Amino acid sequence: EAGVTQSPTHLIKTRGQQATLRCSPISGHTSVYWYQQALGLGLQFLLWYDEGEERNRGNFPPRFSGRQFPNYSSELNVNALELEDSALYLCASSLKGKGRYTEAFFGQGTRLTVV
Amino acid sequence: AQSVTQLDSQVPVFEEAPVELRCNYSSSVSVYLFWYVQYPNQGLQLLLKYLSGSTLVKGINGFEAEFNKSQTSFHLRKPSVHISDTAEYFCAVSRAYTGGYQKVTFGTGTKLQVIP
Repeated sequence: EAGVTQSPTHLIKTRGQQATLRCSPISGHTSVYWYQQALGLGLQFLLWYDEGEERNRGNFPPRFSGRQFPNYSSELNVNALELEDSALYLCASSLKGKGRYTEAFFGQGTRLTVV
Repeated sequence: AQSVTQLDSQVPVFEEAPVELRCNYSSSVSVYLFWYVQYPNQGLQLLLKYLSGSTLVKGINGFEAEFNKSQTSFHLRKPSVHISDTAEYFCAVSRAYTGGYQKVTFGTGTKLQVIP
């Protein structure tokens, strides 16, 4: 069974441009989470999508946005890129929790470099 | 709100020696606790988790961790490390009985360097 897949693996953009990152969850998983892993900062929660809806977002500006498609795959868009947006962006998927623990599985990430 | 502190950013250890990676958390409610491993250029892989029950949790690759509620700690241990254990390790906490991973708070990571 395929795991969580992210594309592209590496992305280089210039300041001010837009970046689009993609994530395909494990088959059957309806929840997709996006995290930013910047150097020395650990993982910061960005966005949570479930069944096509944005359920929660972390403390990031509105230029970080995304969506989830009917097949539960997801896109993260970062507009007006800044140098400090350079980071590893990780996607994870899980079954819907409904008040109980469900394990999330992580993809290998997209390394975004803003120059 | 909850938080996680990983006290050591880097831990060098000789091969076949024991290792302990420290993690402390703060929370006013019941928690779930996790340890993840990240190999270079990889995503995160769950090593072990504490949800409830026995405070000693065994995970993959010979790792174990002990939940200590009075000291609010969840230290990760391995009695004998291998070169292949070289990676970054993340401790994480979430509020118990909440669905979803949006409330999981990660630590800043500890880089384990196993020296041959």
